[in-house]
Amino acid sequence: DAKTTQPPSMDCAEGRAANLPCNHSTISGNEYVYWYRQIHSQGPQYIIHGLKNNETNEMASLIITEDRKSSTLILPHATLRDTAVYYCIVRRSSGDKLTFGTGTRLAVRP
Amino acid sequence: EAGVTQFPSHSVIEKGQTVTLRCDPISGHDNLYWYRRVMGKEIKFLLHFVKESKQDESGMPNNRFLAERTGGTYSTLKVQPAELEDSGVYFCASSPTDGGNEQFFGPGTRLTVL
Repeated sequence: DAKTTQPPSMDCAEGRAANLPCNHSTISGNEYVYWYRQIHSQGPQYIIHGLKNNETNEMASLIITEDRKSSTLILPHATLRDTAVYYCIVRRSSGDKLTFGTGTRLAVRP
Repeated sequence: EAGVTQFPSHSVIEKGQTVTLRCDPISGHDNLYWYRRVMGKEIKFLLHFVKESKQDESGMPNNRFLAERTGGTYSTLKVQPAELEDSGVYFCASSPTDGGNEQFFGPGTRLTVL
């Protein structure tokens, strides 16, 4: 699986959009971009995934660049409960293992 | 619908002892995964079951670790004998075979080896 690079930490104000970047310059054509998060002391939680089109669900939006070498996870209105470590993961298929990196620690401040 | 459950939530044992962790996946999920995070490190994959068969056990650290999934339902992960470096949080996840992009994680078992 391709390696991903994320900033170690970010913060944003409550109610504002949180934009979390991820670089995956060695991604292959058949690899998807997944985002998970881990809230303190809980198991990781799936957020969203995409191949090349932008995706949106009830939790977030995923913007993938046209060359697929980077992506951005957008939490449109961050709340204090969104404080967590966010992981960008590249993966070939739905049955594959997840390869976690160090992620981005997002702090949402009141 | 019940999520992935893990037992125990915490375990404290002494070096050289044996510990068995249990994972109950979401009912009907054929895929079951074990991961762990040891102190200060990233979450690492251990192994993957499809039903009762081991699909990928490339992440198992050594032969002190034994995972089973008899009958393709719940799974156990036994550490025998436990070493200090085995301390960490062990996560289990499950996903359905068809159309399951999401892995559902349990709350984890925190293992402390003294």
